[in-house]
Amino acid sequence: AQKVTQAQTEISVVEKEDVTLDCVYETRDTTYYLFWYKQPPSGELVFLIRRNSFDEQNEISGRYSWNFQKSTSSFNFTITASQVVDSAVYFCALSVTPMDSSYKLIFGSGTRLLVRP
Amino acid sequence: GAVVSQHPSWVICKSGTSVKIECRSLDFQATTMFWYRQFPKQSLMLMATSNEGSKATYEQGVEKDKFLINHASLTLSTLTVTSAHPEDSSFYICSARRLAGRRETQYFGPGTRLLVL
Repeated sequence: AQKVTQAQTEISVVEKEDVTLDCVYETRDTTYYLFWYKQPPSGELVFLIRRNSFDEQNEISGRYSWNFQKSTSSFNFTITASQVVDSAVYFCALSVTPMDSSYKLIFGSGTRLLVRP
Repeated sequence: GAVVSQHPSWVICKSGTSVKIECRSLDFQATTMFWYRQFPKQSLMLMATSNEGSKATYEQGVEKDKFLINHASLTLSTLTVTSAHPEDSSFYICSARRLAGRRETQYFGPGTRLLVL
């Protein structure tokens, strides 16, 4: 069975602090995909990153960076110099290569990030 | 980038009525679309997978006769909540699967807020 765990329910930081959102996943598949989505108060999910299981290179995009560690089944997300506009709920998700071609996304429970001015 | 739209963005209805929600992929063809439900402060839960030209695949516990899904074209899927009741009040989100070469990504619609009185 596949599972995604985001142990941090809520995080509150002061603007300009760095913050790391944790994501731990479980799957027996060797080929899978990991995602991070941002959900601002408006509700619309914003795609942030997609990473496949064969690519363990860490990625940086502006103030965002992701650390993929297969050895610990983790795909953590760091925001550097956080801003108030980063306040949102962040979801980590897993998709495996299916036999039935369903490509379902399994979401973690989400981490609510509040960045205070 | 890829855009997925949903209509309506919010709806209020009386108990017992049926509500139809449309999901459209605006600039790509989506053979597979997904319908999620999100209750307040909770994660997204997959309800069903909608495949163009065939019957939808429902997740365990989701009543297929209550949540009717039709994927009549490569750019449109509809979810009809039949005989809606207050417990069906939720945020309904669709996503469309896009394949670009070997890369597969899901793009989410802005969601539809349903309130059943």
